[in-house]
Amino acid sequence: AQRVTQPEKLLSVFKGAPVELKCNYSYSGSPELFWYVQYSRQRLQLLLRHISRESIKGFTADLNKGETSFHLKKPFAQEEDSAMYYCALQGGTSYGKLTFGQGTILTVHP
Amino acid sequence: ETGVTQSPTHLIKTRGQQVTLRCSSQSGHNTVSWYQQALGQGPQFIFQYYREEENGRGNFPPRFSGLQFPNYSSELNVNALELDDSALYLCASSWGGRGANTGELFFGEGSRLTVL
Repeated sequence: AQRVTQPEKLLSVFKGAPVELKCNYSYSGSPELFWYVQYSRQRLQLLLRHISRESIKGFTADLNKGETSFHLKKPFAQEEDSAMYYCALQGGTSYGKLTFGQGTILTVHP
Repeated sequence: ETGVTQSPTHLIKTRGQQVTLRCSSQSGHNTVSWYQQALGQGPQFIFQYYREEENGRGNFPPRFSGLQFPNYSSELNVNALELDDSALYLCASSWGGRGANTGELFFGEGSRLTVL
């Protein structure tokens, strides 16, 4: 069975501070990991995926297979980063069939 | 480019009734996945349709069923509604299916179902 855990339901930081949203997963094979984001009054959208190893809006995430983690990081948080963030896992060839974590609400204070 | 649209946006039903939710996929996409999002939870995979056939199913009972049409739009049907079916139902479209990496999912805004 596959599982995604986001241990923090709420995370508050001040503008300019570093931010790290934690994600741990359980999966026996080689997973693909994603971060999805939902800004206020907007639909859920992809932020980044581990396989493309890209930085989007200053966010990065590294897949650590030893620790089964995929934490999302940004060195300097901005107020517009305030949103709900979901970590999601796609197992093997189960394309489009994602297992989501419970989500973390990030609030960046001015 | 037209995004994923869902209807209705809100609806209220009573226990035992049946409901049909509709989804139009994004232009160029041939795969539709449905998710249930209970309050305070992340989305949970219900099933996926690719070229009008079910292409995988999550841990949901048979009273959750679906269809995909030749234009790739889709319906989610739930029979014998229970109180726990109250949730936001999300539709997501993508390109691919069997043997292809669908990559990014494009979500609709959801249909919020309340069962009384």
